[in-house]
Amino acid sequence: RKEVEQDPGPFNVPEGATVAFNCTYSNSASQSFFWYRQDCRKEPKLLMSVYSSGNEDGRFTAQLNRASQYISLLIRDSKLSDSATYLCVVNDNNDMRFGAGTRLTVKP
Amino acid sequence: GAVVSQHPSWVICKSGTSVKIECRSLDFQATTMFWYRQFPKQSLMLMATSNEGSKATYEQGVEKDKFLINHASLTLSTLTVTSAHPEDSSFYICSAGTPSGYNEQFFGPGTRLTVL
Repeated sequence: RKEVEQDPGPFNVPEGATVAFNCTYSNSASQSFFWYRQDCRKEPKLLMSVYSSGNEDGRFTAQLNRASQYISLLIRDSKLSDSATYLCVVNDNNDMRFGAGTRLTVKP
Repeated sequence: GAVVSQHPSWVICKSGTSVKIECRSLDFQATTMFWYRQFPKQSLMLMATSNEGSKATYEQGVEKDKFLINHASLTLSTLTVTSAHPEDSSFYICSAGTPSGYNEQFFGPGTRLTVL
């Protein structure tokens, strides 16, 4: 089983749609969780950290379920500029483990 | 967020030459930096953990004699690809974490290496 698993997509959605990504992780002792966004041929950029209580940043909502070992990212009112690959990242004792990424394309 | 720079941003070299890539944390000190490699349409793969003042820790399957890492100061780590071959062509990215408690990592802009 992979340490961090994501649905690779691609997700093709119209502008304004709501889209959700899930990610599962194998190490129950993992400490920190993140969503990164990576544009084509660019480095990953931190989108948001994921806290136990869940957190929201504008159109983006992240949830963590430790019991089921999954993380989710919800994007509301999708914009064309949201098109990117979204990486689920789990930190195990300062070891960053990346999911393979979920490709999102938002279409006009 | 914190700023991490990499140099060069791209490099083309002949097979057999060595290439050095620098990773700098510009506004914070990083005792640990990470080096990744990413092939087209694939996920980031951790190559090694660079520790300031001590030897790097390499992931399984990564040749330490081929990918030399030096972390001589709290703001600089270098990766040298020795005797590069075309199969080493890839996107190399470093990251560093700030001293904050949640272990966020910030990535450099990456170095695109093409070996002819």
